[in-house]
Amino acid sequence: GENVEQHPSTLSVQEGDSAVIKCTYSDSASNYFPWYKQELGKRPQLIIDIRSNVGEKKDQRIAVTLNKTAKHFSLHITETQPEDSAVYFCAGAKNFNKFYFGSGTKLNVKP
Amino acid sequence: GAVVSQHPSWVICKSGTSVKIECRSLDFQATTMFWYRQFPKQSLMLMATSNEGSKATYEQGVEKDKFLINHASLTLSTLTVTSAHPEDSSFYICSASGQGSNSPLHFGNGTRLTVT
Repeated sequence: GENVEQHPSTLSVQEGDSAVIKCTYSDSASNYFPWYKQELGKRPQLIIDIRSNVGEKKDQRIAVTLNKTAKHFSLHITETQPEDSAVYFCAGAKNFNKFYFGSGTKLNVKP
Repeated sequence: GAVVSQHPSWVICKSGTSVKIECRSLDFQATTMFWYRQFPKQSLMLMATSNEGSKATYEQGVEKDKFLINHASLTLSTLTVTSAHPEDSSFYICSASGQGSNSPLHFGNGTRLTVT
């Protein structure tokens, strides 16, 4: 199956700074890459996603970039706010079937 | 749209007993649902893919006789943890793609299982 690796495991930034989380995947057939935000004790919530036919996607302060050749994709959060503090998971899937998740990044935004 | 409901949200059971967790798609039909397990401060590990009307497919290392999955209708999948042991204590989350072939994955609220 797919193997998704995620770095860093923890990330601490000052409010207003940018945060970048990186993921790599192993299966070149994977074509869909979502990012989820999970607050303590709650379900993961989809925040942004990208398909393999697109190199970059942006939604307000959040953006995702994809490099298919290198098989890596990244989440970028600009102007971070304390409410952005959570655990973020990347995932990879082939044709929206069997989503495999990265190990998670705990983001702490310090006010 | 694409609401996934999971029940119960938490359960405590004694060692040796079985526990059933329900996952429902409330506003769409889900031919496929996925069951994940999450240990504290760890990632979501895919356990099995639940297919409506057919047998579930399990990931390597997941005991199918211990984690029984039934997907009897297009809106309901159940996971039964049989003969539960303390090491089965975990957070179990179901998920389903929304209606259509290219829909994102949406998660239920999860079930925190504690086996004493």
